[in-house]
Amino acid sequence: QLQLQESGPGLVKPSETLSLTCTVSGGSFSSSGYYWGWIRLPPGKGLEWIGSIHYSGTTYYNPSLKSRVTISVDTSKNQFSLKLYSVTAADTAVYYCARLTPQWLVYIWGQGTLVTVSS
Amino acid sequence: EIVLTQSPGTLSLSPGERATLSCRASQSVSSSYLAWYQQKPGQAPRLLIYGASTRATGIPDRFSGSGSGTDFTLTISRLEPEDFAVYYCQQHGVSPPPFGQGTKLEIK
Repeated sequence: QLQLQESGPGLVKPSETLSLTCTVSGGSFSSSGYYWGWIRLPPGKGLEWIGSIHYSGTTYYNPSLKSRVTISVDTSKNQFSLKLYSVTAADTAVYYCARLTPQWLVYIWGQGTLVTVSS
Repeated sequence: EIVLTQSPGTLSLSPGERATLSCRASQSVSSSYLAWYQQKPGQAPRLLIYGASTRATGIPDRFSGSGSGTDFTLTISRLEPEDFAVYYCQQHGVSPPPFGQGTKLEIK
């Protein structure tokens, strides 16, 4: 059974870089039919798609975050990563890694990790 | 970019009752690419419905989706205790795929 697990710091200072990694286990990481992605849930708000990456390295980003986001993949480790630069308190959220279909449906989610931006 | 507006923000009902949740899009959603997710406290969301009306694998038939164009509905025919959660709609098939702000279904 495919499982995803987020890891990374739970506290980031304003203006610094948020870095998270998602480790995939129990299934194929290099399936051509799926994408890996990041979605976040800010407190009191709705879900927000941050971006997705194909195992080949092709990336898709939310235009609202594109200037501050990099998503990368490491197929040798079955991992993909998120970097969000110049964070502010507005980036405080639960961050989920996920596997998405080409139509951006999310069938499989990680458990989520809370990242707080605060000095 | 399409904006999805869910209503009501909170819905208070009792087990056994029927729940009707609304998701309205600011523009027409092509090919009915509208999905619904359920999220319980401390858990990740779970896909319930996609393509406006197709239940995902393992989803009970008390959950049904309908609608087209700009107006979509998630109906839970007879609420079970485990159905009280937050529900999100999402337009899939576009980039970026927007989500609604959620409807909290709480026990009355």
